[in-house]
Amino acid sequence: AQKVTQAQTEISVVEKEDVTLDCVYETRDTTYYLFWYKQPPSGELVFLIRRNSFDEQNEISGRYSWNFQKSTSSFNFTITASQVVDSAVYFCALSEAYNTDKLIFGTGTRLQVFP
Amino acid sequence: DVKVTQSSRYLVKRTGEKVFLECVQDMDHENMFWYRQDPGLGLRLIYFSYDVKMKEKGDIPEGYSVSREKKERFSLILESASTNQTSMYLCASSLGQGSIYEQYFGPGTRLTVT
Repeated sequence: AQKVTQAQTEISVVEKEDVTLDCVYETRDTTYYLFWYKQPPSGELVFLIRRNSFDEQNEISGRYSWNFQKSTSSFNFTITASQVVDSAVYFCALSEAYNTDKLIFGTGTRLQVFP
Repeated sequence: DVKVTQSSRYLVKRTGEKVFLECVQDMDHENMFWYRQDPGLGLRLIYFSYDVKMKEKGDIPEGYSVSREKKERFSLILESASTNQTSMYLCASSLGQGSIYEQYFGPGTRLTVT
């Protein structure tokens, strides 16, 4: 069965610290997609990144980076030099090739960045 | 910018009432979705629609129905609200079918059923 696990419920850091949010997934498909979304206090989820299962190359976008490792079924998200504006709930999600419109979300990780 | 709007940010209803949650997107997206978000459970899909008058059940459709009479509008209906439907409801839309299209979310409606 498909499942996304975000074991970290809440993380608190001080500004400028690096922080990694963990995401572990389960799927029987060989073709699937992984996502990260950010939910700031305003409530609406904001899309951050999508990766397909055939592309294990790590990605960097400014202070954000993602590490995809099929061997450990993980898709971890690192924020470098965190800022107060990074405070939000972050969700990892999975969709499978046979049912690509359906996103399976993890339970989310609340990140608090203190000044 | 894609805009997904929801009719209310906060709603308080009584047990047994019929409740309508409205969602409108302005980017001519094919797909629309309704989720509920609960602490410790993440987001769970209630229903989605890939075309006008079409609907598909998600993971937790019981107690809900939906309506999509126009492409831009997707309504979630609680036929007889119950206290266990107190939750945050999020609407989303995407351009087409398939995961190459990310979902765009509205700000959510926090529904309290008393």
